[in-house]
Parts: sequence; structure tokens; C-alpha cells
Amino acid sequence: GESVGLHLPTLSVQEGDNSIINCAYSNSASDYFIWYKQESGKGPQFIIDIRSNMDKRQGQRVTVLLNKTVKHLSLQIAATQPGDSAVYFCAENRAAGNKLTFGGGTRVLVKP
Amino acid sequence: NAGVTQTPKFQVLKTGQSMTLQCAQDMNHNSMYWYRQDPGMGLRLIYYSASEGTTDKGEVPNGYNVSRLNKREFSLRLESAAPSQTSVYFCASSRQGGDTEAFFGQGTRLTVV
Repeated sequence: GESVGLHLPTLSVQEGDNSIINCAYSNSASDYFIWYKQESGKGPQFIIDIRSNMDKRQGQRVTVLLNKTVKHLSLQIAATQPGDSAVYFCAENRAAGNKLTFGGGTRVLVKP
Repeated sequence: NAGVTQTPKFQVLKTGQSMTLQCAQDMNHNSMYWYRQDPGMGLRLIYYSASEGTTDKGEVPNGYNVSRLNKREFSLRLESAAPSQTSVYFCASSRQGGDTEAFFGQGTRLTVV
């Protein structure tokens, strides 16, 4: 079936470096692609979204890139900090579908 | 500002027992959701309620029932628990069904032995 998935299960990053988290998707009908962050013992928290007709969107220290040609989504975190250690999920949403579909997650470990 | 509140936080059940997971949100959101998260995996949608008075099946509804009691509350019931239902359960809400930003509770860690 249609799904959203991730390439790398774990990403180890030096504090201060940039992080890049990747995600592949198969549902071309999605209206939005979204990134969530889940810290240990907590529920997921919204980070940023991008509409399907956009290629790039920037937030505070984060940038999401969407490549519809190869159905690829990425999240870039600038100057990674210890507080960025978490599991990151990509998700997709269709406004008519009333629900979010999540991918499998990537764990980011920030080394001091 | 409580957001989404789930109870209980932890529960151990014996196979065949039943229980209800409670969820309440204080953000006046229309849509509510129940997800399960298995170790090392993403979240899978069990049921959702786009608005008060409506519920729909998600990806993995078998073995579960839900009730949208009112706009604030959305409960998940396991009628006869099975070990395969051991998981962490998350309730979430969003302003409306098409929103990309959902707000999640802290989760209920359920173990079925």
C-alpha cells in the first residue's frame, strides 16, 4: 500500500554540525509532508510542514526540502544541539483524508 | 494549559482482559486520533474522529473500539486484550481533520501478558 518511509534508522551527529534526515514517500496524492520530533518518553511534536507544490521551506534552524521527481523529503537541522537528540518522523497528509500517515522514524544522536 | 491528557500512563493486562484508555483535550479541537507505536517503529493509526459524533477506522482497527464521548473526550477500548496489543498508545487532536499539526498526549504504555 501507499506509505511513507525513511532511509536511515540512526544518525550520529557532532554537536554544532548540520544534520540531514531523509524520507522516501510513495503517495503522490499527498497535499502536505510534515516532520515530527519525538523525545524519549514523550509524544511526537510538530516541527515543520511543506505543501506538495513547494520545493523548500525554512523554519527556525530547520529546512525541509521536497523533491517530487524522486519522491524524496529531507529535514536539515542547522548547528545541531544536544536538545535535538530525538527520533524524527516524516508524515504525509491529504486534506480530504482527515488523518496523518507516519513513516518509521530516524533516531538522531548528538555527540558533545 | 494541559493540551492532550491520557490516562492511565502505564497498564499491565492479562490476555483476555478488557480496558478503556481515556483521552481528553482542552484546545477545542474538532478532530481526535488514536495511534499505536511499537518498538522502533512509527505510529499507526487505529481510529480517528474527524468531528464530534463521527468515528472512522484507521490502518489497524481490529481488536479495538472507540467512543467520541463529546468534543473533548475520545476513548479507546480493548475488549479482549491480546499480547499483540502490547504497545504504546498515543492520543492526538487537531483543530480540524486536514491540519498538519496534531498535538499528542504523553502516551499509555500497555503490556499484555
